[in-house]
Amino acid sequence: DTAVSQTPKYLVTQMGNDKSIKCEQNLGHDTMYWYKQDSKKFLKIMFSYNNKELIINETVPNRFSPKSPDKAHLNLHINSLELGDSAVYFCASSQGVRGGNTIYFGEGSWLTVV
Amino acid sequence: AQTVTQSQPEMSVQEAETVTLSCTYDTSENNYYLFWYKQPPSRQMILVIRQEAYKQQNATENRFSVNFQKAAKSFSLKISDSQLGDTAMYFCAFSTTGNQFYFGTGTSLTVIP
Repeated sequence: DTAVSQTPKYLVTQMGNDKSIKCEQNLGHDTMYWYKQDSKKFLKIMFSYNNKELIINETVPNRFSPKSPDKAHLNLHINSLELGDSAVYFCASSQGVRGGNTIYFGEGSWLTVV
Repeated sequence: AQTVTQSQPEMSVQEAETVTLSCTYDTSENNYYLFWYKQPPSRQMILVIRQEAYKQQNATENRFSVNFQKAAKSFSLKISDSQLGDTAMYFCAFSTTGNQFYFGTGTSLTVIP
């Protein structure tokens, strides 16, 4: 069983469209994250939720809206997609927010905006 | 400022040889944890090894070991008996209070048969 699973794995869409990426973890973790990896492979935190509550919200355009219906799910919705949104988006989870908890990543969702 | 620096963008090693990947970091926190993650061409991020900063003993995990120098804020990864499957991007990271992670820019390692 995949510990952190995200769908879709690949997504090609036109500028201006709205798209969602879903994420689920079956590890029983309390904390979930969204990371963005750009073309230079730089990994940057976007959001973090702990028990469905938003705890980290980095400087991300308002077009990005995370939603956590329960602590096992964290979805990412993106409105009005732009070319610069093309990246690999990683969902991840950890046992909690205490320092030192290992982050477990999903396989990534490769978004291409054309 | 919390930063992670990986000064080697690309490295290569002959199969069965040993290679060391460098990482330095900067943080004002006293309690933190250090990690190496591996990202093969499949793009999956996989934990390689983890080190608690308060522990002096270097972590080891099979062929992977670290050289942790706290005073120098250095956390290098040594891969022994390199295998073709070790070809990947390697990211150094540390986490602080609140499990906020900071990643380096990565080192692309190629194992040559």
